Amino acid sequence: NAGVTQTPKFQVLKTGQSMTLQCAQDMNHNSMYWYRQDPGMGLRLIYYSASEGTTDKGEVPNGYNVSRLNKREFSLRLESAAPSQTSVYFCASILGQGVAETQYFGPGTRLLVL
Amino acid sequence: SQQGEEDPQALSIQEGENATMNCSYKTSINNLQWYRQNSGRGLVHLILIRSNEREKHSGRLRVTLDTSKKSSSLLITASRAADTASYFCATDAGGAQKLVFGQGTRLTINP
Repeated sequence: NAGVTQTPKFQVLKTGQSMTLQCAQDMNHNSMYWYRQDPGMGLRLIYYSASEGTTDKGEVPNGYNVSRLNKREFSLRLESAAPSQTSVYFCASILGQGVAETQYFGPGTRLLVL
Repeated sequence: SQQGEEDPQALSIQEGENATMNCSYKTSINNLQWYRQNSGRGLVHLILIRSNEREKHSGRLRVTLDTSKKSSSLLITASRAADTASYFCATDAGGAQKLVFGQGTRLTINP
């Protein structure tokens, strides 16, 4: 099993450009999450999906959209990138729908917005 | 807002020594988790402790939880160079489906 995979690993964008970060898991997990990690800030939740077909906002959703394409895939879209969105983005998943479970993380996508 | 606050922010010790990191949180929780992050990598789950548990062990890891003080500690015994990483606590204070992470403790083990 590959676990949680993310593409791309690294991306440079210009202000105003758009892009989609891809995440896939092969563990048949129900819930998936997108976080961003900034220096000294820990992880902050952007959006999550408790099950296929549902998505909910996290702590910092502004400037992002998500799609739970199917049970395996959860994408994060930046419609008009801003320098404040420079960060490392992590996708995670859990088997169930409650957080009393282990979250499995992908390797991250490093995004630089110029 | 960050729910968990780790202390210290950075810790540097010699190989073989014990490392202790603390996490404080503000609201009632049902469980608390600790994760490790090696440089440039994703987070890896270490241990989960529930609110009705006071202490839990996993190999060289020992986690305690004091709900009256709203704090937890992670002890790594007999540290190794491979333990060099950032350690994060996370609570379910965000709700049943959301984890809230602290800012992390950066641990360096010197050979």
